[in-house]
Amino acid sequence: GAVVSQHPSRVICKSGTSVKIECRSLDFQATTMFWYRQFPKQSLMLMATSNEGSKATYEQGVEKDKFLINHASLTLSTLTVTSAHPEDSSFYICSARSDAGGGETQYFGPGTRLLVL
Amino acid sequence: DAKTTQPTSMDCAEGRAANLPCNHSTISGNEYVYWYRQIHSQGPQYIIHGLKNNETNEMASLIITEDRKSSTLILPHATLRDTAVYYCIVRVGYSTLTFGKGTMLLVSP
Repeated sequence: GAVVSQHPSRVICKSGTSVKIECRSLDFQATTMFWYRQFPKQSLMLMATSNEGSKATYEQGVEKDKFLINHASLTLSTLTVTSAHPEDSSFYICSARSDAGGGETQYFGPGTRLLVL
Repeated sequence: DAKTTQPTSMDCAEGRAANLPCNHSTISGNEYVYWYRQIHSQGPQYIIHGLKNNETNEMASLIITEDRKSSTLILPHATLRDTAVYYCIVRVGYSTLTFGKGTMLLVSP
């Protein structure tokens, strides 16, 4: 099956620093990737949709200047949390939609747990 | 504005079939039914999807009622590793996946 990887799997940083999370589709090309956030005991919330070679589309309430998304290739999208604060601590999950076939199925990465001290 | 309704939690004995229901009474003709699951502290895992016909793969079976207003995900022989939150999602082909609260399935020895 399609595999999506994320790096790092967990990160601890100091308040005010920036953190970059990478998302890769390992065995398929993905024109479209998604970034979700999940707080404890809650469901996944979509943050933004990124399309290769164009600007990301952010969901209402998500600050685009704080959560920078770059989708420079068909297999890589990055999320940078700028000037992180403790309230940004969360589980960040990326997802990629395969270009092959009907392109309907989204595959998810294993997630990145961010803790901001 | 929830499109699906699922029980909050369910229990199942190991080795028995787990039948997870989902109501989607407002589903439209071009919307698919997707099932994902999320094991604790992991990303969601795709299980199966269907439009009208019942579907089966190596993980599960999906039974969709004739009026398409509800469906059931069947794990034929549940194992402890099937303990997870199961999400039933309806969507048109290329639309974004939106997650509800899902069903917490606990498989016990």
